[in-house]
Order: sequence, then C-alpha cells, then structure tokens
Amino acid sequence: DAGVIQSPRHEVTEMGQEVTLRCKPISGHNSLFWYRQTMMRGLELLIYFNNNVPIDDSGMPEDRFSAKMPNASFSTLKIQPSEPRDSAVYFCASRLLTGSNQPQHFGDGTRLSIL
Amino acid sequence: TQLLEQSPQFLSIQEGENLTVYCNSSSVFSSLQWYRQEPGEGPVLLVTVVTGGEVKKLKRLTFQFGDARKDSSLHITAAQPGDTGLYLCAFTSGGYNKLIFGAGTRLAVHP
Repeated sequence: DAGVIQSPRHEVTEMGQEVTLRCKPISGHNSLFWYRQTMMRGLELLIYFNNNVPIDDSGMPEDRFSAKMPNASFSTLKIQPSEPRDSAVYFCASRLLTGSNQPQHFGDGTRLSIL
Repeated sequence: TQLLEQSPQFLSIQEGENLTVYCNSSSVFSSLQWYRQEPGEGPVLLVTVVTGGEVKKLKRLTFQFGDARKDSSLHITAAQPGDTGLYLCAFTSGGYNKLIFGAGTRLAVHP
C-alpha cells in the first residue's frame, strides 16, 4: 500500500519566494495533518482537516502560512513570502477519522531551507 | 510549557545495553502513543496504551502506562543499532483527533 506521499523531499529557496509543499494522503483516510519539526521546537501541529474541511489552524504561525485541501486526495501548505526562520522539516500525516486511537501515518517530510 | 516532558533528551549507549526512557505530565490522559522516528523519515507508531497500569510488549520493547495515566515509560532490552532514532510520546486532544507530541528522546546505539 502506498503511504502518505509528500513532495518535494527537499526545497532550497531564497527568502521572499513563495514555497508550496504538497501532500497526498493514504487513500480512504479522511483526516489530514500538517506538522513542522525543528530541533528547537520539536514536532508542532500547524493545521488539520477533517473531510477536507480545516478544523484547527491555531498552530499556523503567521498569515504568511496557508493550507488548502481541495479534495480528499491532495493538500498544499503554502508559505508566502518565505523567511529563513521557516527552515524546518514539514510533515504531512493522515488517519481515519473514526476511532480515538487510530494511528497517524506520516510522510517522509519536506526539508525546507530558506536562504 | 511542554505538556509532555520526555527524558532523557539524549542517550548514547553500546549495543546490548538496556535502557529506559520516560514520558511525564501533570495531566491525566485517556491514552498515550509512542512513535519512533528514524533519520530522514516520518514518525511511525509503535504502540498505544490506554489503561492505567497497562504493560505492552513489542519484541524487545516494553511500554508501561502509569497507574494514574499521567506518565509512561519505554524500556528496551539488549539495544541494537537498529533501535537508533527519536522516540516520541504523544497524547490525543480535541476530540481524539489532534496529537500533541513531547520533545522526544534521541537514542544512539553504537555497535
């Protein structure tokens, strides 16, 4: 079975540029999560969707960050304009909405470097 | 303020040694999950503990949930280099859906 697929795996860009990260969740999963991981702050939840609807975006750091889920099989996380402090590994995860202990399945992440 | 405190932050041991890592909180949880993250990959669920005092075993890994459901431990017997990684504990919030992670314990097992 295909897991959560993220692209690109690595992104290096200059500050001020727009960055778009992409995620394809596991087929049939109806809950999708975006996380950011840094050495200083660990793994932080940015936003999550249930049935393509954003439920909690309280972790989104600033208005420069936005996320969309136009359909059940695709989501994007956009940063515009990007800043060096946005450098981190960004993970997407998906799970089945039903059941309190359903595991989250993570992609392999996008390593983002803003110069 | 971290809701989940994990200790130690770093652990470097030789192959064959035993170790225990801890996940502590002042809050009571309905369940706790343990994940392992290897370099260059996303976290992978190891186990979910639900009942106070529960002990679960996964090969050489033993997970325990505290009686008061405020803490958990992970014990590894005869560690191997393949156990190297970041061990994260997490609890669910917001109607079961939102996972809050601890900072993790970074384990290195040397041959």
